[in-house]
Amino acid sequence: SQQGEEDPQALSIQEGENATMNCSYKTSINNLQWYRQNSGRGLVHLILIRSNEREKHSGRLRVTLDTSKKSSSLLITASRAADTASYFCATLGNKLTFGTGTQLKVEL
Amino acid sequence: NAGVTQTPKFQVLKTGQSMTLQCAQDMNHNSMYWYRQDPGMGLRLIYYSASEGTTDKGEVPNGYNVSRLNKREFSLRLESAAPSQTSVYFCASRPSGGTGHNEQFFGPGTRLTVL
Repeated sequence: SQQGEEDPQALSIQEGENATMNCSYKTSINNLQWYRQNSGRGLVHLILIRSNEREKHSGRLRVTLDTSKKSSSLLITASRAADTASYFCATLGNKLTFGTGTQLKVEL
Repeated sequence: NAGVTQTPKFQVLKTGQSMTLQCAQDMNHNSMYWYRQDPGMGLRLIYYSASEGTTDKGEVPNGYNVSRLNKREFSLRLESAAPSQTSVYFCASRPSGGTGHNEQFFGPGTRLTVL
């Protein structure tokens, strides 16, 4: 069964706007990771947040983690057309388990 | 460094045929993984190898076998392909050990269609 569930399933925004994606999971984790997948390509690791961390930044990315609610969010600020991709959260317990993804479309 | 490479990129099989998907990594990683990706299902782990000489079942191992040939190579075999195995297959690798090395590196995928 899937550990992570992303919300929304699809998101369409204008270039320059911020994009927020949410991930909920079911069991305790060691860390939570976000990956990006461009159409027809493999996944690329974006950012990792450990279970004892609450917020992490990397460039235009901001990730938050609330272990009491078993949820995480990924914020992409000042989005660009090149950010168009699917975004997956993955939780590490005994193994890395991926969610079903959010399809982000950034329009010019 | 090529990273994680997969062959072939595309394959069409008939039901009952067999084939082997190849994966290699040049990053000296200990752990390697095979996933399948289906629409609306995310990635599901088929098999993994935590280190050379070991393999373990993942979430959806039925109908597949794997071989960790050496530290670099991890192959996935379909003995008798079924239409339900139509999917995109991804290989990944990870340096093992320590909490700072949990990122997985993915190959470009193999798109398999079983008729």
